[in-house]
Amino acid sequence: DTAVSQTPKYLVTQMGNDKSIKCEQNLGHDTMYWYKQDSKKFLKIMFSYNNKELIINETVPNRFSPKSPDKAHLNLHINSLELGDSAVYFCASSRTGAGNTIYFGEGSWLTVV
Amino acid sequence: RKEVEQDPGPFNVPEGATVAFNCTYSNSASQSFFWYRQDCRKEPKLLMSVYSSGNEDGRFTAQLNRASQYISLLIRDSKLSDSATYLCVVKDTGFQKLVFGTGTRLLVSP
Repeated sequence: DTAVSQTPKYLVTQMGNDKSIKCEQNLGHDTMYWYKQDSKKFLKIMFSYNNKELIINETVPNRFSPKSPDKAHLNLHINSLELGDSAVYFCASSRTGAGNTIYFGEGSWLTVV
Repeated sequence: RKEVEQDPGPFNVPEGATVAFNCTYSNSASQSFFWYRQDCRKEPKLLMSVYSSGNEDGRFTAQLNRASQYISLLIRDSKLSDSATYLCVVKDTGFQKLVFGTGTRLLVSP
């Protein structure tokens, strides 16, 4: 029973392509996130949605477009992929509230060649 | 200055050793604090929350000093399975935003 699942786990694609990563959580949480972990292992938030509404949008190129069709899903679409987009993208979810634990998916390893 | 700063390590310790990690954060209004653990090529997982009064979970003890904006994690009787990267995490007020430190790598050897 994977609580936060994301697909694909591995993705190798050429520069300039458009790709999507899907995320689903079955925990009944109302907040979902996308985090990016770069080659230096630094984990940084990209987006956060609460009840399908965008609440955090860090300084991310507009080639990245999140979409939340419902509370259980948060997908990430990336246009015109660049070499620098190569990273691990983690989806996560939590209940609203300062102390609530955030649960991460297993990550999607994106390599742009 | 980074929002959350940690010594990247690695810390190389023998089994059975006691090791301590420190972390400082810049936003004095931060309201929640955590230690996460990340194994190689895996997702981060919550190790423990950090409370103002300090808290212990088995071999792990976390401390928070709000005045100094400082968080610590103490691991006693290190096990081989403790080898991982330990991430200091601070939650901003208002938004549901976790800010991660760069992590401290721990290697426990036989």
